[in-house]
Amino acid sequence: GQQVMQIPQYQHVQEGEDFTTYCNSSTTLSNIQWYKQRPGGHPVFLIQLVKSGEVKKQKRLTFQFGEAKKNSSLHITATQTTDVGTYFCAGQGLMDNTDKLIFGTGTRLQVFP
Amino acid sequence: EAQVTQNPRYLITVTGKKLTVTCSQNMNHEYMSWYRQDPGLGLRQIYYSMNVEVTDKGDVPEGYKVSRKEKRNFPLILESPSPNQTSLYFCASSLWGILPTGELFFGEGSRLTVL
Repeated sequence: GQQVMQIPQYQHVQEGEDFTTYCNSSTTLSNIQWYKQRPGGHPVFLIQLVKSGEVKKQKRLTFQFGEAKKNSSLHITATQTTDVGTYFCAGQGLMDNTDKLIFGTGTRLQVFP
Repeated sequence: EAQVTQNPRYLITVTGKKLTVTCSQNMNHEYMSWYRQDPGLGLRQIYYSMNVEVTDKGDVPEGYKVSRKEKRNFPLILESPSPNQTSLYFCASSLWGILPTGELFFGEGSRLTVL
């Protein structure tokens, strides 16, 4: 079945440093979504990517969808303490013709002031 | 205010005692889903529903039941809870479920402990 792997599992950075999390799917995806979960909170939608090679930006956050639609990345420039949380990617399969959205295992980001 | 409401938020119960976690959304969403979150495993889908009276298994459905009699409600039922069902549960809804699935709105979560 479809699997979505995310690396790294944890990342500790100094405030102001950049951060990147990577998401890889075992199968081609129709689209990918990214969510952020603050400590003690619930996942909150950040963005959805649909097109091959798509790049979207939200202020300091840059999201990419790979050309083969099997991988994605989230890059944060100049991290701030407000970026602390766990970032999840969630991919929707294309080949297995289901509506399931499979979540990655998440990357927990800690930012030290 | 648009929201997904789960109850209870916290529950400690004992093995075998049936329980129901309710989920209600006020956004007229067609798609609803239940996830469990465990350390190191991310969010795993338990069951989902594309619309009223339409439900389907996710990746970890064993030990759970759901129903979708009304569009707004999607309760999660644990007929005979076991300790391995101790977890953080999230209900989520989306405007539609066909590809591509729209943005998921999550409830606040229900932390369940089964002794």
